[in-house]
Order: sequence, then structure tokens, then C-alpha cells
Amino acid sequence: DIQMTQSPSSVSASVGDRVTITCRASQGISSWLAWYQQKPGKAPKLLIYGASSLESGVPSRFSGSGSGTDFTLTISSLQPEDFATYYCQQGSNFPRTFGQGTKVEIK
Amino acid sequence: EVQLLESGGGLVQPGGSLRLSCAASGFTFSRHAMSWVRQAPGKGLEWVSGITGSGDSANYADSVKGRSTISRDNSKNTLYLEMNSLRAEDTAIYFCAKDLVVLTVGRAFDVWGQGTMVTVSS
Repeated sequence: DIQMTQSPSSVSASVGDRVTITCRASQGISSWLAWYQQKPGKAPKLLIYGASSLESGVPSRFSGSGSGTDFTLTISSLQPEDFATYYCQQGSNFPRTFGQGTKVEIK
Repeated sequence: EVQLLESGGGLVQPGGSLRLSCAASGFTFSRHAMSWVRQAPGKGLEWVSGITGSGDSANYADSVKGRSTISRDNSKNTLYLEMNSLRAEDTAIYFCAKDLVVLTVGRAFDVWGQGTMVTVSS
């Protein structure tokens, strides 16, 4: 199975900060990577697919990059509604696997 | 409006069985692969199983392989997950999720249901 490792596990940041989350795959997955945002008690929400394509309706402050094994999700200017847990997911091999999550908390 | 609505969760004893359902609306159900993703209390996301739009191919996580069967009825716009020999570690919220990509299971999930809770306990 492909292991997805996110770092950091949690980050404390202030409104307006730039936040970067990384995701590393244990083997190459081309650009088959998605990012999700999840708030407590809610279903995940797709932010980015194909490593860098912004899902419709998602604010442009979210961006994704990378290919192969190393990927990044960047929030250019953190907003109050962005405090949540973020997950990466590989769509290259079965079984599909998620990272362990990164919690973005208020500083 | 695109919508997924899960049902069928509940309390079941270890070794028991359960069938989860996911009713889809607002899109051409038969064109999209679908998956089940679960989340144990306070834990991360785990992909469980996925099935192609036609239903001719399915994949499973090792944790449920041999104990679970995913299926779909395209005439009823409904996805199912039959789970047998349930264990305490199967306790989780089970989400159904629609694939963004038409032909392939699990590239990315663009629509999620609200989830149904499965608790395995005596």
C-alpha cells in the first residue's frame, strides 16, 4: 500500500498568515493527489484534485503543487473559516489512501 | 442539487452484519464511480471500497476485504455496502462519496454524504 505522510500534524497560525502543508507519498503517484478540508462534525470537502487543480467554488487562496512523491497545499492568507483539518489522498494505486491529517488551529 | 444520503447504520454486536445504503440524486448516477470512506471516532479518513459506474469492477481495503461487498443499483440510484463479521475496529462514521472522475474509482471525491454511524459493541 502507498503510505501518505503529512507534515506538520498540527499548525498554529493567525488570520492572514500563509500556511503550507506537505504530503509525501511512499512511492510515485504522478499527479493523482487530492486535498480535502474537514470541519468538526462535517463531511470532508474537496479543495484540490490532480495535485494542482482548484475545485469549483473553492477560494483562490488555496493552491496545490507537486508531482511524483512530494506535494504541497498552500493557503496564501488564512481566513477564520479555514481553521479545520486537512487531508491528502492518493488516487494512483489501490487501496486509495489518505494522509493522517493536519489540524490548522488558531494562534 | 447533487446530494448523497446514507442510511443503515446503528449498533451491532461483534460478528454481526449490516447493510449500508446511499441514495444519490442530482447527477447521472450510473456515470460515476462511487466509494465508501470511513472515519473512526477522533481518527482520520480511511477509504473502504469503491465501485465503477457500471458496477462491473470493485476494490476493497485490506481491512474489510473478504468481509464486505460493495454494490449498486443504477435503476434506484443507490449504492450499498454489505458488511459481515463486524469487529470493534469497524466502529466509524461511514461516508459515501462520488468520484470526480467519471471512469475510475477513487481519483478524487467531489461530493460526500453526511455519513452514517456504525457502532460494533456487545
